[in-house]
This record gives sequence, C-alpha cells and structure tokens, in this order.
Amino acid sequence: DAEITQSPRHKITETGRQVTLACHQTWNHNNMFWYRQDLGHGLRLIHYSYGVQDTNKGEVSDGYSVSRSNTEDLPLTLESAASSQTSVYFCASSNRDNEQFFGPGTRLTVL
Amino acid sequence: QQPVQSPQAVILREGEDAVINCSSSKALYSVHWYRQKHGEAPVFLMILLKGGEQKGHDKISASFNEKKQQSSLYLTASQLSYSGTYFCGTVDNYGGSQGNLIFGKGTKLSVKP
Repeated sequence: DAEITQSPRHKITETGRQVTLACHQTWNHNNMFWYRQDLGHGLRLIHYSYGVQDTNKGEVSDGYSVSRSNTEDLPLTLESAASSQTSVYFCASSNRDNEQFFGPGTRLTVL
Repeated sequence: QQPVQSPQAVILREGEDAVINCSSSKALYSVHWYRQKHGEAPVFLMILLKGGEQKGHDKISASFNEKKQQSSLYLTASQLSYSGTYFCGTVDNYGGSQGNLIFGKGTKLSVKP
C-alpha cells in the first residue's frame, strides 16, 4: 500500500545543531508540504514543493530549508536549531484533488 | 489570514449532535476538513468547493456558503470514535485548485459515553 513515512519519530537535540527530518512518500504525488504544530496555533506551513527541484517558503520558513531531488522525498533541515523550534512536525503530500495525506509526525525537542 | 473556528471545544454525550464552524475573511475557493486524534496525524475528511455544495459520508456532513465565506461541519448521532480535534483548512480564490491550505486552530470534540 502507498504511504507517507517520517523519520525519526522523536528527536532531542541541542541548540545550534543542524537537524534533518526525513519525509518519504510512495504515492508519486508531486505536491509535498512541511507543517509544524504547536498548541494554540494549529498547523502552520513551513515549506512546500510542487515537484522535483521546486521549493517554496511557507508562513513560518525562517530557520528551515528543504530540497527536492526526487518525487518521493522532501527532507526538512533546521540549519541551527533553536528552542523556539521545539514542536511536532508533519509532512504531507497531496493528490490532484488537493486532498492532503499526512505522515505520522516527528516530535522534536531542542534543549 | 487564518480561518476562525468555533467553538474552540465541545463536549457531547454519545448520540448528540454537534456543529463546528469555520469562517474566513477572504473569498474562498475551497474548504477542507480534517480530524486529528490525540498523538496521531490529521486525517482527511472532505473537501468542499465553491458553489455551495454540501457533502457527507456516514453521519458527518458539511456545507460551504461561498458568499458568507463560511463552512460548517455537522456531526449527527455522535459516536465515541468521533472524539478528536477537527481542523478546517481554506484555500482562497487566488490559490485555486492547487492552492495551499491555511488551517484554523482547531475545535476539540470530546464524546462521552
């Protein structure tokens, strides 16, 4: 069955370290997204991609970057982790009807 | 602008009905509804496109009033499995059919036996 996976599921890191969160989907969707979810804010868009080599900034992109070298993967990198980036991160991909399918999430703690 | 959901939280007994509202300050192309159970990922429920259509499956349905820039999610004869946080996501007219979603802050629904 097609699916979307994220790794790691939990990560603890220190302030200033570079962290990369992986996202992999097997639906062959062109559109992929990264969100962060914080209490009281709902889901906020960090970056998105509409296809290979395409990346775009979302609402809360400062301190994050993405790259899209193939259809299946959209890794999210925190260049220099900050405590404000402690959050739950969800990756999603969408089909032609713009239905979004979310990965299981990564809980990131920055100490 | 982030859509506004109301109420923020609601507690029901099994079998009771609930309505969750989603309101935007922008002209909308579509409204999307998702449910998220505690500790899990959001799960897609339905999309409503401009044109005022009403959709539903099982005992969960929704409407979209394009002129009022509002959508409502209706849960009838609620079941324990309906518990979770419901999010609406909106796509404005500029975004069109593949526009990005802007999510509301969510409505927490608790169904008690």
